[in-house]
Amino acid sequence: AQTVTQSQPEMSVQEAETVTLSCTYDTSESNYYLFWYKQPPSRQMILVIRQEAYKQQNATENRFSVNFQKAAKSFSLKISDSQLGDTAMYFCAFISPEYGNKLVFGAGTILRVKS
Amino acid sequence: NAGVTQTPKFQVLKTGQSMTLQCAQDMNHEYMSWYRQDPGMGLRLIHYSVGAGITDQGEVPNGYNVSRSTTEDFPLRLLSAAPSQTSVYFCASRTDSGVGEQYFGPGTRLTVT
Repeated sequence: AQTVTQSQPEMSVQEAETVTLSCTYDTSESNYYLFWYKQPPSRQMILVIRQEAYKQQNATENRFSVNFQKAAKSFSLKISDSQLGDTAMYFCAFISPEYGNKLVFGAGTILRVKS
Repeated sequence: NAGVTQTPKFQVLKTGQSMTLQCAQDMNHEYMSWYRQDPGMGLRLIHYSVGAGITDQGEVPNGYNVSRSTTEDFPLRLLSAAPSQTSVYFCASRTDSGVGEQYFGPGTRLTVT
């Protein structure tokens, strides 16, 4: 079975600083995709960033970037210049065609940005 | 383009009651799915569908039924609600490619007393 582990239930960061959220996953597949989703207090699920396993280059979306370590099965999210609007629950997720393209989520990390 | 819509947003049921959570999408997506979100457990897949007339079980299907008669609609039925089904429910859709962005509805908070 594919599993996704987020070991940090809660984190906090000062506004304008940088924070890194951790994610590890377990799979025997070589072809897969990884995602970070943001869930603000509104409850809406928002895709933050996506990484294809076959790409060595780490994905970047404005202030959000990932550190993808395929051998270590690690996929951390770095948020630079944190803003109050970044306060949310963040979910790491995994999908693999060999696993029926079913999205598997981690338990989530609550991030609080403090002013 | 409304995206993925869910109704109702909130619902309270008594144990043993039945109800249907509605989900619709207007993006002509083949793949639709239902998740439940519980504290400390992330989102878990209940049922999914890869196209009209085709449904399959996810990780936690017990106590739930689904059907997919059209591409647009994917209702989730609770036949006999139990307190363990108290949760937030999300419907999602995406193109059939599998790795495209998955679009989520706004969620339904269900409480079973």
